[in-house]
Amino acid sequence: EIVLTQSPATLSLSPGERATLSCRASQSVGSSLAWYQQRPGQAPRLLIYDASNRATGIPARFSGSGSGTDFTLTISSLEPEDFAVYYCYQRNNWPLTFGGGTKVEIK
Amino acid sequence: EVQLLESGGGLVQPGGSLRLSCAASGFTFSDYTMSWVRQAPGKGLEWVSAIVSGGGTTYYADSVKGRFTISRDNSKNTLYLQMSSLRADDTAVFYCARGIAPTTSYFLHWGHGTLVTVSS
Repeated sequence: EIVLTQSPATLSLSPGERATLSCRASQSVGSSLAWYQQRPGQAPRLLIYDASNRATGIPARFSGSGSGTDFTLTISSLEPEDFAVYYCYQRNNWPLTFGGGTKVEIK
Repeated sequence: EVQLLESGGGLVQPGGSLRLSCAASGFTFSDYTMSWVRQAPGKGLEWVSAIVSGGGTTYYADSVKGRFTISRDNSKNTLYLQMSSLRADDTAVFYCARGIAPTTSYFLHWGHGTLVTVSS
């Protein structure tokens, strides 16, 4: 099973600041990695797939990069609605797996 | 509009069984691989199981293998998850999810979830 390790666990930032979230895979997943956002009480929302492609309707302030085992989600300038939990996810190998999540909270 | 509507959750005793359903609409259900994803209270996301479009191939997380069975009825546009030998750590909200493309398990569409509570 591929283990995805996200860091940091919590990121405390102010609106307008840049957020950089990391995800490391225990073995290569190629580019088969996605990022999800989850707000309290809501289902997850797909942000990025194939490491760097934005899903439909996702604002340009969200960007993804990386390949192999190291991946990054960047939010260029935090909006109030961006304070949430973010999960990375791989579909390169069965079983599919999620990272443990990074909570982006208001400082 | 794609809609996924889960049902069947509830309170069940340890060792018991429960069947979840996910009614799909707004797309050609029979074309898509479908998955179940769960989330324990206050915890992260865990992929549980997937089934390909025709139902002939299934996949499971190690944590549920041998206890859960995924199935689908394409004539009814419905996905199922039969859960048995339930344990307290199976307590979670269970989501039905569909990918961005028929064979791609990047989950673009999610249901609202159904809560399963395993407790005596």
